[in-house]
Amino acid sequence: DAKTTQPPSMDCAEGRAANLPCNHSTISGNEYVYWYRQIHSQGPQYIIHGLKNNETNEMASLIITEDRKSSTLILPHATLRDTAVYYCIVKPGSARQLTFGSGTQLTVLP
Amino acid sequence: DTGVSQDPRHKITKRGQNVTFRCDPISEHNRLYWYRQTLGQGPEFLTYFQNEAQLEKSRLLSDRFSAERPKGSFSTLEIQRTEQGDSAMYLCASSLGTGVYEQYFGPGTRLTVT
Repeated sequence: DAKTTQPPSMDCAEGRAANLPCNHSTISGNEYVYWYRQIHSQGPQYIIHGLKNNETNEMASLIITEDRKSSTLILPHATLRDTAVYYCIVKPGSARQLTFGSGTQLTVLP
Repeated sequence: DTGVSQDPRHKITKRGQNVTFRCDPISEHNRLYWYRQTLGQGPEFLTYFQNEAQLEKSRLLSDRFSAERPKGSFSTLEIQRTEQGDSAMYLCASSLGTGVYEQYFGPGTRLTVT
């Protein structure tokens, strides 16, 4: 699976958009970009995934660059409850398991 | 609450004892996964079931670890002769299919081996 690089930590003001970057420069054509988050002492929570096109759901938006070498997860209006570790994962569609890296600790500040 | 439950939530045991954890996936999900997470690290894959068949095991799953999923419903993960290095959060996840289907995680079982 392609390796991902994320900043170890980020802060965001409550109510503002949180933009979390992920670099996956070695991504292959059949690999999807997934985002999960893990709030302290809970199991990871699925957020969103995409292949080539930008995606949006009720939680977030995923922007994937045209060359697919990087992506950005956008939480449009961050709240204190969005404080968590955010994991960017690249996975072939056929793969079964998720390979987690170290993620980005997002802290939403009041 | 994702619909995946795990029991117990916390377990403290002495080194050398056996422990067993249970996972109840979302009822219509026929794929079930176990992961392990140590402090400060992301979860690591342990094993995967499709219905009752265990189709994949990580090299992290030593001979002291065994997992079952009888009748393709709930799953158990047993650790025999626990060691201090087994102290971790054990996470269960389920999905409707493999590939692009998202995995739904339970709250985890935190194991402390003293």
